[in-house]
Amino acid sequence: DTGVSQDPRHKITKRGQNVTFRCDPISEHNRLYWYRQTLGQGPEFLTYFQNEAQLEKSRLLSDRFSAERPKGSFSTLEIQRTEQGDSAMYLCASSPPTGPLGANVLTFGAGSRLTVL
Amino acid sequence: AQSVAQPEDQVNVAEGNPLTVKCTYSVSGNPYLFWYVQYPNRGLQFLLKYITGDNLVKGSYGFEAEFNKSQTSFHLKKPSALVSDSALYFCAVRDRSGYNKLIFGAGTRLAVHP
Repeated sequence: DTGVSQDPRHKITKRGQNVTFRCDPISEHNRLYWYRQTLGQGPEFLTYFQNEAQLEKSRLLSDRFSAERPKGSFSTLEIQRTEQGDSAMYLCASSPPTGPLGANVLTFGAGSRLTVL
Repeated sequence: AQSVAQPEDQVNVAEGNPLTVKCTYSVSGNPYLFWYVQYPNRGLQFLLKYITGDNLVKGSYGFEAEFNKSQTSFHLKKPSALVSDSALYFCAVRDRSGYNKLIFGAGTRLAVHP
């Protein structure tokens, strides 16, 4: 297992187009997170899955954004009708079930950079 | 609401000198604190975490961090900086929602000069 994989690494699209990003977490990790990172800022939480259930969504995730994790393994993040403000790095992370100390480490992928022209 | 602050956008240090990257936190209850590093075109890499116990936490690549409850700080330190330590460093706190998600600071760029 080589860690968290994200595809594509870079995506350039025109405003109004739809884009989809894929994340393959570490296989034994049941928790999966999507974050967004813009230049000069730290990652901002978008959404969280435990197995296939989407348990939390940030208010940052407008109705143009949708995420799925259909079989509790890989996840997709789709952005419809992209806007220039959507340009960012989209990061996926995964973690194992919470251990006895309640704070497992998130392992991040390299990210998918979106540029909306 | 939980938050972390990294008061310095950039820290400059000469190779071989000690380095400190500052982080303060605001949480209710006991904090779970983390440091991550980000190199260009790569994902965030975990350095170390504080959950409980010894206030001095040792992590990867010779880094350590000191938890100070009275000052609500969790500064990252290294006794002798390397040029290869130059990167973007993020402090994070675990959110209390129970989903193990992290809330990140804005990041501090560390530049180590030869």
